[in-house]
Order: sequence, then C-alpha cells, then structure tokens
Amino acid sequence: GAGVSQSPSNKVTEKGKDVELRCDPISGHTALYWYRQRLGQGLEFLIYFQGNSAPDKSGLPSDRFSAERTGESVSTLTIQRTQQEDSAVYLCASSSPAGGRYEQFFGPGTRLTVL
Amino acid sequence: DAKTTQPTSMDCAEGRAANLPCNHSTISGNEYVYWYRQIHSQGPQYIIHGLKNNETNEMASLIITEDRKSSTLILPHATLRDTAVYYCIVTSGTYKYIFGTGTRLKVLA
Repeated sequence: GAGVSQSPSNKVTEKGKDVELRCDPISGHTALYWYRQRLGQGLEFLIYFQGNSAPDKSGLPSDRFSAERTGESVSTLTIQRTQQEDSAVYLCASSSPAGGRYEQFFGPGTRLTVL
Repeated sequence: DAKTTQPTSMDCAEGRAANLPCNHSTISGNEYVYWYRQIHSQGPQYIIHGLKNNETNEMASLIITEDRKSSTLILPHATLRDTAVYYCIVTSGTYKYIFGTGTRLKVLA
C-alpha cells in the first residue's frame, strides 16, 4: 500500500518568506508526527497529532512554526518569516496503535533551504 | 522516556554479523526498545522492537538483557545496503520518540 508522502521534496526559499510543507499519512493512521533533522544530526520532535488535535506541541521551536491537520488526513507545517537556521530536512511520520504497536512510518522528508 | 547511549560509529565486514549495542539504564517497566535505521537521504525505517524477550524478524534480532538496561541489535549477515545510521529508542509507546545521534554503521566490502 501507499506509504507516507511529503511535498515538496525540496524547497528553496529566501529569508523572511513563509513556507508550507505537506504530509499525507498512511490511510487509517490516527497519529501523525513532525520531526526536524539538521545536517548530520538526529531527529528533533516538533509536534504530534492524534486525529486533528495536537496534544503535544512542545517541540515547536518558536511561534513562527505552526501545524494543522485535517481530520485524520493531510497535515501542513507552516514556517513564517523563515530564517537560515530553519534549513533542515522536515520529516513526517504516521502510526496506528492497533494491536499495541507504535511503530512510526516515515515519509521521505522535505529538504528546506533558506538562503 | 528513558535516554539511550550508543557508540558513534562502527564498521563491519560484509557477510559478517553486525552487533550494535545500546545502553538504556533508566528504562522503566512499561517502556519498549525500538530500533530504526536511516539510510542516507531517506526517512527512518522501522527494524524491530521488544519489551523484555528477545525478538527476531526477517531483518534482525534484538537481544535484551535480563535487567533490561541494555540491548543489542544483530544484523546476522551484513550487506553493503545495511550501511546506515541505526537509532535505538526507548518509549512507553505514547507517541514521542527521542532520537539520539545513533550509530553510524559502515559495512565494508
């Protein structure tokens, strides 16, 4: 079946511009996660959705970052007034706790470059 | 969720077993050990997980010590395609994974 998809795969923007990153989770997965991975680093948790509510936004690095989710479907991560330090790969994952399994299925990521 | 400690890097000869250790001395009773790997420029991929018993699947084996304070991921016959960063994660399954820097495994021809 289809996995997690993300778009765009690459995004180059100028400092100060807003960007929107999209994630399409696996159909039926109730949970959705966003992570950020800077070059050569591990993944940093940003936000978690259960359905369309976000019980944990603790990882969002500043108020320039926000995310929405429509039902149990697509999610959008928005970064306003981008800064060079926002350059990273943004990864989305989804999961379904069916059967007590919590493995997360990751998309290929969006590589964001802020000039 | 408990923290994990992994070696920064390891080499393994092709065809040999790769044994990747992970320390999680503060693990609590309801926390699972998950292993993921990330091949260059791709999203992380689930490998295996366990609670206290050893586990095996088509990709790997997971050995968890009796006190659960450490574990070892075993790739029985490493191939060049197993070159990746391997992450050990301890989680109660709620939702949040705390990724460390992982172990960079290089499989040598």
